[in-house]
Amino acid sequence: GQSLEQPSEVTAVEGAIVQINCTYQTSGFYGLSWYQQHDGGAPTFLSYNALDGLEETGRFSSFLSRSDSYGYLLLQELQMKDSASYFCAGETDSWGKLQFGAGTQVVVTP
Amino acid sequence: DAMVIQNPRYQVTQFGKPVTLSCSQTLNHNVMYWYQQKSSQAPKLLFHYYDKDFNNEADTPDNFQSRRPNTSFCFLDIRSPGLGDAAMYLCATSRARDRAYEQYFGPGTRLTVT
Repeated sequence: GQSLEQPSEVTAVEGAIVQINCTYQTSGFYGLSWYQQHDGGAPTFLSYNALDGLEETGRFSSFLSRSDSYGYLLLQELQMKDSASYFCAGETDSWGKLQFGAGTQVVVTP
Repeated sequence: DAMVIQNPRYQVTQFGKPVTLSCSQTLNHNVMYWYQQKSSQAPKLLFHYYDKDFNNEADTPDNFQSRRPNTSFCFLDIRSPGLGDAAMYLCATSRARDRAYEQYFGPGTRLTVT
């Protein structure tokens, strides 16, 4: 089967750095996306990695290692507004579909 | 602002009573998706359209159907809702099939089945 595994919850204080890991096992793989979803809201796109390496977008960075079937999202200088669920999503075929992980709840404390 | 709009935001229906959820987009994107998301779970893809080419996920129940009459609109029909169909239903778009990694989601319709 196809699966993307990520931790269920991470807690950190404001100003800290959090890394959310995602390991995947899929029959096809084209790239890894990350989405943020606040409670009661819609998922919003954060970043995408098609190739190995680090992509930086402001305070957020995303990394991919295809050889290790592994990626992570790095949240720096945490702010209270970063409290949300974060989903990794694998692009698993060329038809344009995403397979979502179960999500990681990030709790930022003062 | 270009966006994905879903109506209604909250829908209550009775067990077995058909219900239709709607989605519209002003992004002029070719691809539209319907997801089901239950509490504290990942979004689960039900269908997607590339233009008018319909793609049904293998495990989407027959109770669920979809229509896309034009580029801008897409509908999700639940023929006979059961209690297990209570969920948030998310509509999303992407510019093209090869841009599926970047999807734009609507605010969702929360469906309650009584």
